[in-house]
Amino acid sequence: EAGVAQSPRYKIIEKRQSVAFWCNPISGHATLYWYQQILGQGPKLLIQFQNNGVVDDSQLPKDRFSAERLKGVDSTLKIQPAKLEDSAVYLCASSLTMNTEAFFGQGTRLTVV
Amino acid sequence: AQSVTQLDSHVSVSEGTPVLLRCNYSSSYSPSLFWYVQHPNKGLQLLLKYTSAATLVKGINGFEAEFKKSETSFHLTKPSAHMSDAAEYFCVVSPTGNQFYFGTGTSLTVIP
Repeated sequence: EAGVAQSPRYKIIEKRQSVAFWCNPISGHATLYWYQQILGQGPKLLIQFQNNGVVDDSQLPKDRFSAERLKGVDSTLKIQPAKLEDSAVYLCASSLTMNTEAFFGQGTRLTVV
Repeated sequence: AQSVTQLDSHVSVSEGTPVLLRCNYSSSYSPSLFWYVQHPNKGLQLLLKYTSAATLVKGINGFEAEFKKSETSFHLTKPSAHMSDAAEYFCVVSPTGNQFYFGTGTSLTVIP
């Protein structure tokens, strides 16, 4: 079974630039999560989708972050404009439903300079 | 409110000795609890999960954890550490099954 795919693996941008991350969940998984993991901290949930609807985006900085999951499959997370404090690993995860185990991708390491 | 506290940010053990990674949680509900492992430059991998069945949960790679409601703890143990166990470990609480709250992580070092 293919795992959660994320791209790119690494990205370096200057502050105030924009960036987008892509996630392809495991086939058939209805729930998709985006997490932000700052160095030395545990992952923090940014947004959770159930199919193509948003379940929880309470910790998403909506003035600069946006995410979509068109057609309930792939998802993109965008940051515009980026700040230095956005430097982190962005993890995508998916699960069959909301009450089952989440499988994580390898993440995208973002460095904002 | 829900939270999870990993009591040690770093744990160092000698190869072949027992491992104990401590986790305490608070939850308004009867939560599900998980341990995930993260090897360098790898994705998070589920080690084990507790979902209100047996309180002693066995996971992959010889790890197990015991849910103790009276102590609100879910400590991770392994009888004998292996070099390949060196990684970051995260305790996770899910109060309702559709949200996951991560601890800050415990870095495990295994000394040869």
